[in-house]
Amino acid sequence: DAMVIQNPRYQVTQFGKPVTLSCSQTLNHNVMYWYQQKSSQAPKLLFHYYDKDFNNEADTPDNFQSRRPNTSFCFLDIRSPGLGDAAMYLCATSSRDKINNEQFFGPGTRLTVL
Amino acid sequence: GENVEQHPSTLSVQEGDSAVIKCTYSDSASNYFPWYKQELGKGPQLIIDIRSNVGEKKDQRIAVTLNKTAKHFSLHITETQPEDSAVYFCAASFGNEKLTFGTGTRLTIIP
Repeated sequence: DAMVIQNPRYQVTQFGKPVTLSCSQTLNHNVMYWYQQKSSQAPKLLFHYYDKDFNNEADTPDNFQSRRPNTSFCFLDIRSPGLGDAAMYLCATSSRDKINNEQFFGPGTRLTVL
Repeated sequence: GENVEQHPSTLSVQEGDSAVIKCTYSDSASNYFPWYKQELGKGPQLIIDIRSNVGEKKDQRIAVTLNKTAKHFSLHITETQPEDSAVYFCAASFGNEKLTFGTGTRLTIIP
């Protein structure tokens, strides 16, 4: 089945130690998103790619970076995680070529910062 | 930018009864309104969506209504079942890929 895959599902890192979360998709969608979701809150968009065109949200901290080496993969790099960065990180995809803007979400990676 | 308000934040209904969740949006240009269901430990899943050229859409036990004049839209779940228990998010967008989410409603179905 076509899907959005996130690895790992659970990630534990230490304060200040860089961490990378990964997302892959088999939907061949040209848009990929990264969201941060804290407990009992709505997903908050960090940035998205339209093909290789990177679009950063104005309030996304510089501590968060992203890479998209090809259509299928997208990475979220947190350069120096703080305690406040502990959250669920969701990857999503959509096709800009389709009339509906449906976003398909992965299962998320829960990040713990010690 | 767009702002989406969602009510109530929590909702408990008896199994078999109906549940209604309401959202209002601020940007009259918004033209796409999806509803997502998020179960514990999982990513949000689209359950139904509606575009601004339609006033109502139904899919089995789930329906969404849209009032463009009042800028609000609602999710209706009939004959609720225990597996409907989850957090539901409404969202709105216009023209591009960015969704603005509501704050979520935790729905609990009481057996």
